[in-house]
Amino acid sequence: GDSVTQMEGPVTLSEEAFLTINCTYTATGYPSLFWYVQYPGEGLQLLLKATKADDKGSNKGFEATYRKETTSFHLEKGSVQVSDSAVYFCALNNAGGTSYGKLTFGQGTILTVHP
Amino acid sequence: DADVTQTPRNRITKTGKRIMLECSQTKGHDRMYWYRQDPGLGLQLIYYSFDVKDINKGEISDGYSVSRQAQAKFSLSLESAIPNQTALYFCATSAQGGTQYFGPGTRLTVL
Repeated sequence: GDSVTQMEGPVTLSEEAFLTINCTYTATGYPSLFWYVQYPGEGLQLLLKATKADDKGSNKGFEATYRKETTSFHLEKGSVQVSDSAVYFCALNNAGGTSYGKLTFGQGTILTVHP
Repeated sequence: DADVTQTPRNRITKTGKRIMLECSQTKGHDRMYWYRQDPGLGLQLIYYSFDVKDINKGEISDGYSVSRQAQAKFSLSLESAIPNQTALYFCATSAQGGTQYFGPGTRLTVL
């Protein structure tokens, strides 16, 4: 079945540091890929998405590129802020597979940014 | 107003009690979902519904039931709550093939 694997956390950075959170996936067909963010005490919000190979999703300074050859969708940001502290989830939606378009999530990565 | 609302936001109950969590959406989406979040495990799908007459079990449906009362409403029930059902519960909605939008979550504690 479909699966998503994220890098182990938590990740602790200083403000203005470079961020990478790794995400790899296993899926049949051509899934869409997502990054969701969960701020403390809140629900999940869509951060960015990519629907086909080589697409780059971007939002709020975050970027991720859909790499089919390496089955990856790593999240990056050039200069993090304290306000980026949150839990980040990588997910896939495989409408073309047997999962009927459901989201499959990674386990989440906790990011803490210090001033 | 929020597009996806959940009630209650917090609930403490005792083992064996019946609990209902409710979800409403104003996005006009056909598809609705219930997820459970446990620390370190991400979100796991409990049930999903593609329209009022189409309800399906997810990865961890045992001990849960759902009701899709209308396009906009999808409730989750725990018939006899047990302590290992203590978790954060999220409702989500989507259009076909589209992005899922999440509610704010319900924190459930079963003593």
